[in-house]
Amino acid sequence: GESVGLHLPTLSVQEGDNSIINCAYSNSASDYFIWYKQESGKGPQFIIDIRSNMDKRQGQRVTVLLNKTVKHLSLQIAATQPGDSAVYFCAENQYSGAGSYQLTFGKGTKLSVIP
Amino acid sequence: ETGVTQTPRHLVMGMTNKKSLKCEQHLGHNAMYWYKQSAKKPLELMFVYNFKEQTENNSVPSRFSPECPNSSHLFLHLHTLQPEDSALYLCASSPQSGGDQPQHFGDGTRLSIL
Repeated sequence: GESVGLHLPTLSVQEGDNSIINCAYSNSASDYFIWYKQESGKGPQFIIDIRSNMDKRQGQRVTVLLNKTVKHLSLQIAATQPGDSAVYFCAENQYSGAGSYQLTFGKGTKLSVIP
Repeated sequence: ETGVTQTPRHLVMGMTNKKSLKCEQHLGHNAMYWYKQSAKKPLELMFVYNFKEQTENNSVPSRFSPECPNSSHLFLHLHTLQPEDSALYLCASSPQSGGDQPQHFGDGTRLSIL
């Protein structure tokens, strides 16, 4: 069936290094994707989004890359800081029938930053 | 401050109790959502409201009853819950339902069923 998933459940990086978090999706019709960050005890926080008519979008220290050919999404965090430690989710806007769309979430990747 | 406030933050209840979760958004959005987040599972969409009308019910058991009196407030009424209902319940809002818009989440209510 259609799904959104993550390649790695955990990722440890040294402070100051760049982080790359990956996400695979299987619904080629999906046209909108979001990355969320969830810190312990908090709800998911919107980081960045991208539409399928783009292949790259940059924010503050973050970049999202979309490769529609292989149905792959990645989040790059530059100069990773201890405050970046969290679980990161990708979400896909997926058609759910009867003219409705729903966000479908991956399980998440836990990013740990080593001081 | 996310603009979406959920109360209470923690709730412990017995299986025969009746309680309600509350969500309020200050973002001027017209769509509101309830999600369930369990350990090691992706976020599960429960209900969607758009302009106070329920537009999605993802096969949620009737022991969960949502209520949306206006576009800023959303409730989840709980009755005769089961231990497997213990989870983090998240509320979210967006300008409208569906489509390509990010949803903004509250910090959730951690629910424990005894």
